[in-house]
Amino acid sequence: EDQVTQSPEALRLQEGESSSLNCSYTVSGLRGLFWYRQDPGKGPEFLFTLYSAGEEKEKERLKATLTKKESFLHITAPKPEDSATYLCAVQAANYQLIWGAGTKLIIKP
Amino acid sequence: DTEVTQTPKHLVMGMTNKKSLKCEQHMGHRAMYWYKQKAKKPPELMFVYSYEKLSINESVPSRFSPECPNSSLLNLHLHALQPEDSALYLCASSQGDRDSPLHFGNGTRLTVT
Repeated sequence: EDQVTQSPEALRLQEGESSSLNCSYTVSGLRGLFWYRQDPGKGPEFLFTLYSAGEEKEKERLKATLTKKESFLHITAPKPEDSATYLCAVQAANYQLIWGAGTKLIIKP
Repeated sequence: DTEVTQTPKHLVMGMTNKKSLKCEQHMGHRAMYWYKQKAKKPPELMFVYSYEKLSINESVPSRFSPECPNSSLLNLHLHALQPEDSALYLCASSQGDRDSPLHFGNGTRLTVT
């Protein structure tokens, strides 16, 4: 069964404390892995698409990486405005989009 | 600023009411979507219009009815809803290529009383 699991469920960091969020997946034929950021009461905001193992994408303090089994979203020297829920979604061979439950990231000043 | 605009931002309706949610995208995309999101859960796909063809999540009850007047506009007609239908309803668009990312609006917060 196709499945996407994100960990941890919640992560509290001090401002400037770097860390990583994990998205592990078991799908039949990965077509793409997507990262989104969602602020409370807003729609998800697209961050990155990764298509193949070894691929990396960066945007400001965020860097996404992909292996054959998981993706990491690395956040370097985070600021309070990086606080949000980060969602991972995987597109399987049948084009179905499978979402993880998200990681709620809280950055304390 | 989002290029996918949803109205209204908030809606409170009774179980006997009929209402509509509206979505407009200004990105030239060829596919539009309705998602439902409950608190602390990921979005759940309801409907897809891609190149004017409708795809339906068969678990969505018939009290939800989509309409796509053109490639930039998407409506969701609501009738005889239940309190458990209260949620954030999100509209999204994409280029229409099957692995292209979704771009979401900020949603309509629906409360059914």
